Amino acid sequence: SQKIEQNSEALNIQEGKTATLTCNYTNYSPAYLQWYRQDPGRGPVFLLLIRENEKEKRKERLKVTFDTTLKQSLFHITASQPADSATYLCALGSNYQLIWGAGTKLIIKP
Amino acid sequence: DAGVIQSPRHEVTEMGQEVTLRCKPISGHDYLFWYRQTMMRGLELLIYFNNNVPIDDSGMPEDRFSAKMPNASFSTLKIQPSEPRDSAVYFCASSLQAQETQYFGPGTRLLVL
Repeated sequence: SQKIEQNSEALNIQEGKTATLTCNYTNYSPAYLQWYRQDPGRGPVFLLLIRENEKEKRKERLKVTFDTTLKQSLFHITASQPADSATYLCALGSNYQLIWGAGTKLIIKP
Repeated sequence: DAGVIQSPRHEVTEMGQEVTLRCKPISGHDYLFWYRQTMMRGLELLIYFNNNVPIDDSGMPEDRFSAKMPNASFSTLKIQPSEPRDSAVYFCASSLQAQETQYFGPGTRLLVL
């Protein structure tokens, strides 16, 4: 069956360090993958999109990689700040829909 | 643009009552999505529309749920009759294309007692 997995437990990172979140999938061949940020009581907010023919995408302190062989995407936040604390969701593009992971809660400690 | 607008933001109702959730997508967006989010199941797609036409409603849990989009600027999700297990946050999102960035509204937090 089709499956998307993100770190189920919260990720605690010291301020200033790089946070790395993982998104693994099985039985999909997504044309692209997106990462969203969700704060408590709010809807998800788009961060980055990476297509299957792209290995890496960057935006300011954010970096996303997409390995279609490993069926994995990594999401990095460099020089992390307490304001980066949130839940991060990955979503795969499949059949004109987004299929969502459960999200990873990231906590940046000052 | 004001972004995606949803109302009400919070709804508390009793089991058996009808609930109507409303959404105004971003102007010019051809796609509208209704999602439900719970701790147990995460974010689930219920139904999506393209140019006001329902394309895929396979995520709608059962016949108690219905959705309409009478025009490009308005959609409703109705639950009748509501049950306690329908308690969740319901999000509406819109996008220019099906596989592009989705813009989410603030959500409606529904509690069915």
